[in-house]
Amino acid sequence: EPEVTQTPSHQVTQMGQEVILRCVPISNHLYFYWYRQILGQKVEFLVSFYNNEISEKSEIFDDQFSVERPDGSNFTLKIRSTKLEDSAMYFCASSETGSHGYTFGSGTRLTVV
Amino acid sequence: GQQVMQIPQYQHVQEGEDFTTYCNSSTTLSNIQWYKQRPGGHPVFLIQLVKSGEVKKQKRLTFQFGEAKKNSSLHITATQTTDVGTYFCAGRGAGGTSYGKLTFGQGTILTVHP
Repeated sequence: EPEVTQTPSHQVTQMGQEVILRCVPISNHLYFYWYRQILGQKVEFLVSFYNNEISEKSEIFDDQFSVERPDGSNFTLKIRSTKLEDSAMYFCASSETGSHGYTFGSGTRLTVV
Repeated sequence: GQQVMQIPQYQHVQEGEDFTTYCNSSTTLSNIQWYKQRPGGHPVFLIQLVKSGEVKKQKRLTFQFGEAKKNSSLHITATQTTDVGTYFCAGRGAGGTSYGKLTFGQGTILTVHP
């Protein structure tokens, strides 16, 4: 069964530091997403990415956030200057098309201290 | 923007009892998906419903999509301890501009007592 791979599984960072969360989507999938889930709460949309550009982003995805697909396999989320409220589980997901179900990665638990 | 509401937030059942979670969208959906997240895990895709009034079954799970394509339900018959987890509905807006984005409901946390 193809998987979406996320690294690292846990990241602890100082407030104000930059973090990069990494994802390897399923190889034949064309749509990529980042979602986050604050402990015990709903899964919140951050950004969708298709055809090497952002197709949609939420109000959470402000100038501190950016995404990149640097080499045709990795899909990264960068948070430039982390805040305490950025602490959450960050999930990467991919889908074959815009109308298929998502395959989620196992997530990166980000803790900002 | 689109909102997806899900009730109940929590459901505790005895093993063997049935369970239902309900999902309502503020806008018409092109399709709705259901995901299961085990404690400490990630959401796992269960099913997608596309047509108005559609009903799909997966063993003990029955999924329905409302006639107006604004609501959905998941019913589990005779729950087992392996059904424990959070069940999320996730809707994709109608109109063709969502580029695949799903809006998730808050989830229903199911606990099954043996």
